[in-house]
This record gives sequence, structure tokens and C-alpha cells, in this order.
Amino acid sequence: GENVEQHPSTLSVQEGDSAVIKCTYSDSASNYFPWYKQELGKGPQLIIDIRSNVGEKKDQRIAVTLNKTAKHFSLHITETQPEDSAVYFCAASRGPIQGAQKLVFGQGTRLTINP
Amino acid sequence: KAGVTQTPRYLIKTRGQQVTLSCSPISGHRSVSWYQQTPGQGLQFLFEYFSETQRNKGNFPGRFSGRQFSNSRSEMNVSTLELGDSALYLCATSGGLSDTQYFGPGTRLTVL
Repeated sequence: GENVEQHPSTLSVQEGDSAVIKCTYSDSASNYFPWYKQELGKGPQLIIDIRSNVGEKKDQRIAVTLNKTAKHFSLHITETQPEDSAVYFCAASRGPIQGAQKLVFGQGTRLTINP
Repeated sequence: KAGVTQTPRYLIKTRGQQVTLSCSPISGHRSVSWYQQTPGQGLQFLFEYFSETQRNKGNFPGRFSGRQFSNSRSEMNVSTLELGDSALYLCATSGGLSDTQYFGPGTRLTVL
């Protein structure tokens, strides 16, 4: 069945350094890959997403890369700040096909930024 | 624009009872999806509704059900509660041709 593997499960970096989180998906029909940030007591917040027709997308300090052949996608956060500390989830779906709103999530990465 | 609203935020029930959770989508969003989040299983898809019709269903028992109203608000129901149903229940909504899903704050259900 559909599966998304996410690594590492925990990541600790010094403030100002970069953080990288990697995901692998199994469903070759997946073509939409969002990343969510979840802070304690809150719902997941979309931070960036990428579609299969694009290899890389950047938004200020956040970037996502996609390798469809290898079924890998990664989140890169540069110049990390204490407020980046949270749990990050990758996900994959077959969207934007009608009726394909099901997101399959990775297990999450707890990112800690040390001052 | 107001975000996704979920009520109640916290709920405590006992085994065997049933519970109904509510989700109000972002204005204009017609798709509502429900997810269960637990420490052991992570985030798992329950079902998705669009225009009052269930379009997608995850691998959960029939005790989990849902519905959507004409104003796109959605409810999910869990009958005959079990201890393992304790979780954060999240709804996510999307609109138009976009499949980008925006999550609400969740309902924390504790089953005693």
C-alpha cells in the first residue's frame, strides 16, 4: 500500500545552521508533496509544497527538492532560528486528481534549534 | 479569512459511549478531510467529503463515520468508543481546484 518514510525522527541543530529532513514515498502515482509544521497544541500548518512537474521550490529560508525517479523529497531549512523548533511532517498524495485528497504522512521529525 | 474551526477542542468520554466532532471549513472550501493523530500511528486519513458525498475512505472500522452538510460543515462520529480511540482528531479543508489542505486545531478526545 501507500507508504511514506521520513528521516530522521529527531534532529537537533545549532541556531544559524541548516536542517535537512528526508522522505521517501512508495506510490508512484503520487504527484503532490506538502510539508507541514506542527507546534505543541496546534494543528499542522502548511509551510511549503511541491508538485511533480517541479524539481525544486524555495520560499525564503525554506526549500524543498523532489527526485521523482528515486521517489525522494527533502525539506531544507537554512539559517535556523529558535522559532523553527517544532515537529515537521512530509506527506504525499495523488492530487490534484478529482477525489484524491488523501494525504499519506511520514512519521514526523522533531526539530530542536539550540541557541 | 477565518481559518478552519473545530469544536469542541477537548472531550472526555468513557468506553462504549459515542461522540460527535464538528468541523467548519474555510469560507468557500467544499472539501473536508478528517485525520486521526496518535503517538503510535501518526497521522492517518479517515475520510474525505465533497459536496455532501464521501469521496475517499481510509482503513478504519465502521464505528467511524462522517457526514457533510450543504454549507460544507462536516461532522464525524465515533460509536462504541474504545480506549484506543483516544487521539487528536484533525480536519483539513481545501477549495476550488486546489488540493492544498489547511488544518484546524483539532479535537483532543480522551477515552477512559
